[in-house]
Order: sequence, then structure tokens, then C-alpha cells
Amino acid sequence: AQTVTQSQPEMSVQEAETVTLSCTYDTSESNYYLFWYKQPPSRQMILVIRQEAYKQQNATENRFSVNFQKAAKSFSLKISDSQLGDTAMYFCAFMGDGEYGNKLVFGAGTILRVKS
Amino acid sequence: DSGVTQTPKHLITATGQRVTLRCSPRSGDLSVYWYQQSLDQGLQFLIQYYNGEERAKGNILERFSAQQFPDLHSELNLSSLELGDSALYFCASSITGGGGNTIYFGEGSWLTVV
Repeated sequence: AQTVTQSQPEMSVQEAETVTLSCTYDTSESNYYLFWYKQPPSRQMILVIRQEAYKQQNATENRFSVNFQKAAKSFSLKISDSQLGDTAMYFCAFMGDGEYGNKLVFGAGTILRVKS
Repeated sequence: DSGVTQTPKHLITATGQRVTLRCSPRSGDLSVYWYQQSLDQGLQFLIQYYNGEERAKGNILERFSAQQFPDLHSELNLSSLELGDSALYFCASSITGGGGNTIYFGEGSWLTVV
């Protein structure tokens, strides 16, 4: 069974600064997908970024980028130029590559607070 | 707006009662997922349906059941409710349910059992 570990329960960063959230996972699959979801105080789950394991290039979405280290099974999220609206719980998630029966396996989450 | 619609948004009910949560997936999505988010258990996968058929099952209690109808909407039935069932229940959908499909979440249904 796959597991996802987020070792930082809470983090804080000053507005405009850069912060990195850590995530490690465990799987025996060779191909899979990794995601970061954001959950603001409204509690809605919002997709931030996704990474295909077969792609060596790290995914980037505007101020959000990942550092994907397949051998180390590490998938960290870097937020540049942090904004107050980035304050949220961030979840790292894993998905296998089965044809139909797939699900997201989530880590416990990291609460990020952006301070002005 | 993800395009996934869940009703009701909030629900308060008594222990022992039964409730039904409803979900309409994004237009074109064939797969529906149900997740439970509670304070002590985090985000737990309950069950997945694809085009009306059950595809994957997670930590879903026997008191809970779900189904996906021909029009692709889904319902999660929770019965004999206990205080510990109080949680935020998410429905999510994806195009096929295959690996790599991005899963989009609804806004959730808050269930409070008193």
C-alpha cells in the first residue's frame, strides 16, 4: 500500500518570501502521479500542481514549483513570492497508474501561514 | 468552481439517523469518488465508482453505502449515525478514473451528528 508523509505539521513565511513544503512517499509502482492540493479556510480542495513520475522535468505553475526526486521518493512544493492568499492547508497526494481503480492517497497536510 | 456539485452543504442530524449526500460530477466525468475528512483521521478515501460500477473501495464502514446512477450522479448513504461520523464529506470526479486523471473536488457536505 502506498503511503504519503508530510513531516511538517505547520510552517510560516513572510509575505513575498519563498517557502518549501516537504513530502515523501512510499510505493513499489514504477509509474504514478503526484499532486499538491490546497485547502484554504473555506475547506475547498484546490489542485495546485501535478507531476507525472515518468517525466524528469519538474512541474511549474506560476509561483508554484516542485522538486521531484524519484529515487529518493521525495516531492516538495516551493512557493515563491508568498502571498496572504496562500495561507491554507497543503496536502501532498499520490495516485497509482491502474486503468480504472485509482484513488488519491493523501498525506496528513501542512498548515502554511503567510504573515504580513 | 470545480464543476462538482454537492448537496446539502450543511446537515445536522441526530445519532441513529440516516442521511443521504448527493453529488453531481463535472460534465463529461465518468468517475466519482467519495472522501471523508475528519479532524483525527485526515482525508480518507471511501469509495470510487466508474460509469455506474464500483471500482475501488477504501475505509468505508458497513453502515455506509454509495451508488452511481445512469445519469452519473452519485449518492452516499450514511446510516445508524454516530457522533464520530461528524465530518466533511467530499465528492470528487475525474474523466475516466484511470491513473493520472486529475481529480476535481466539490465543496463538501458538512455533517454534524448530535
